[in-house]
Amino acid sequence: DGGITQSPKYLFRKEGQNVTLSCEQNLNHDAMYWYRQDPGQGLRLIYYSQIVNDFQKGDIAEGYSVSREKKESFPLTVTSAQKNPTAFYLCASSRGTVYNSPLHFGNGTRLTVT
Amino acid sequence: AQTVTQSQPEMSVQEAETVTLSCTYDTSESNYYLFWYKQPPSRQMILVIRQEAYKQQNATENRFSVNFQKAAKSFSLKISDSQLGDTAMYFCAFMPGANSKLTFGKGITLSVRP
Repeated sequence: DGGITQSPKYLFRKEGQNVTLSCEQNLNHDAMYWYRQDPGQGLRLIYYSQIVNDFQKGDIAEGYSVSREKKESFPLTVTSAQKNPTAFYLCASSRGTVYNSPLHFGNGTRLTVT
Repeated sequence: AQTVTQSQPEMSVQEAETVTLSCTYDTSESNYYLFWYKQPPSRQMILVIRQEAYKQQNATENRFSVNFQKAAKSFSLKISDSQLGDTAMYFCAFMPGANSKLTFGKGITLSVRP
């Protein structure tokens, strides 16, 4: 079955460590996205990529980095520069070039940094 | 920049009744798309309904329908015959026609009472 896989479901890290969240899709979608979800804040866009080897900053990119070397994969690195990294992270994909194409979401990764 | 506002943080409805969730947005774009997403306790984001701004007819999907008022920049979701499985957070979202970047509102928690 086609879909988006985020791993792991729960992730724990010590403050000061970089951590990478995985996102893989087999939907053959061109566009991929990373959102952060905090209570009372809704979903905020971190980074998005509309094509391989290209990506753009979203609304809250500071302290995060991404790569898009393959169409299927869009890993997100939470760096030690991110001041409040504890959150629920959602990855999504869409056909992208079809501008009304809805986003398909993964099941999310809950990151806790102590 | 586009903004999406969901002013009601929580709502409750009796099973089998009808409920309307409000959403307003602000944009200078003339071509855009609007979406409602549902996030049940499993935290999986699910597309409920979408509306193209250039279409005057309101979108419907079974028990779900929208009231799209373009001049007022309003996009409310009506859920008829509410079911217990409708209990979830609901997010309104905006996508400009020029790219695939999706902006979400802060969401509303809907509880359906038996």
